[in-house]
Amino acid sequence: DTEVTQTPKHLVMGMTNKKSLKCEQHMGHRAMYWYKQKAKKPPELMFVYSYEKLSINESVPSRFSPECPNSSLLNLHLHALQPEDSALYLCASSPGQGPRNTEAFFGQGTRLTVV
Amino acid sequence: DQQVKQNSPSLSVQEGRISILNCDYTNSMFDYFLWYKKYPAEGPTFLISISSIKDKNEDGRFTVFLNKSAKHLSLHIVPSQPGDSAVYFCAASYSGGGADGLTFGKGTHLIIQP
Repeated sequence: DTEVTQTPKHLVMGMTNKKSLKCEQHMGHRAMYWYKQKAKKPPELMFVYSYEKLSINESVPSRFSPECPNSSLLNLHLHALQPEDSALYLCASSPGQGPRNTEAFFGQGTRLTVV
Repeated sequence: DQQVKQNSPSLSVQEGRISILNCDYTNSMFDYFLWYKKYPAEGPTFLISISSIKDKNEDGRFTVFLNKSAKHLSLHIVPSQPGDSAVYFCAASYSGGGADGLTFGKGTHLIIQP
């Protein structure tokens, strides 16, 4: 099983809304990631959780708040977003240890539109 | 500063021929390299990877070559099939950091012509 499941697939939210993106993996991976991808651009790293602890925050604005409730789940809480935050948000996981520790598997993404 | 570069935005190849996608990197700390295939509005799909201790890794129709001295890697797809049409991203990481995330190139749009 190399599946990373993201919900919802699509999300439209207003600038005053609060919403959450969810991600789940059952591969026993100990590292989980949030990436953001704009059209015709490569994925850009936002956050890294390693063994359920936030290890990397790539200077992401505080209106994005990650949470890792356990080793299988990763959430991204959204509040007071701007239209320019509209993008495809990708969750990924990797073993986090061993010779292939950074080999990441991605979910299908959440297409977020901020209106 | 782009640490992973894919200088060909697009590549057109005839069905049955070999597709060669290239990637260069500048950060000497990178020691693990990956190729992903991506369709629009979907997540990247992992294809193949290579560690810096190797110079070649093969998986079915896909082979990745790594030239450390030139900081260059390439993905060979042979024979190319219509289903291979997609955007291909090269990615690099530093495996010694545990979980540092991937740095992606800008991608190459591969078009397989019948």
